[in-house]
Amino acid sequence: NAGVTQTPKFQVLKTGQSMTLQCAQDMNHNSMYWYRQDPGMGLRLIYYSASEGTTDKGEVPNGYNVSRLNKREFSLRLESAAPSQTSVYFCASSDLGQRTYGYTFGSGTRLTVV
Amino acid sequence: SQQGEEDPQALSIQEGENATMNCSYKTSINNLQWYRQNSGRGLVHLILIRSNEREKHSGRLRVTLDTSKKSSSLLITASRAADTASYFCATRSGGTSYGKLTFGQGTILTVHP
Repeated sequence: NAGVTQTPKFQVLKTGQSMTLQCAQDMNHNSMYWYRQDPGMGLRLIYYSASEGTTDKGEVPNGYNVSRLNKREFSLRLESAAPSQTSVYFCASSDLGQRTYGYTFGSGTRLTVV
Repeated sequence: SQQGEEDPQALSIQEGENATMNCSYKTSINNLQWYRQNSGRGLVHLILIRSNEREKHSGRLRVTLDTSKKSSSLLITASRAADTASYFCATRSGGTSYGKLTFGQGTILTVHP
């Protein structure tokens, strides 16, 4: 099925460990995004990539890095995980300017840092 | 900081009733979108309304936009138990070409059978 695929779905890390969250879309979208969702906070933008080859910081980029590997894939890396990064992470994609269809979201990665 | 604020935070109704959720935002927008999130799942795009539109319909959904008051409402008519979910408004600010969205905190809707 066409859409956005995120891996893994669940992860438990110890403080200080690193990991990479993977995201791939097969809709030929130009733009991709990483959000985190915390109770009572809604979704907050971490990083985005307007098009292949570009990345920019969002609202809460500290502690994260991203790589737009190609048009399909956009990964999020935690270099040294902290308990404050316990959250649900969502990847999304859209056509440039999302004139009509809005974002397509993945099913999320639930990350716990202990 | 969040651009959109939804009201109410939680809404509980009976099947067959209408559900109305409101969203207020702070800065000028290019468009406003509504999303649904079922428990433990990703968000699903419901409807988009542009800043030059005042009302839009899609099935049982009706969205209004008042740019002078910087507010929008989502009406779900004849609610069903399957409509139970969290609903988020999201705004795209004007003047950008890459479609970055800012989300509100959401309204939790519970529809009782």
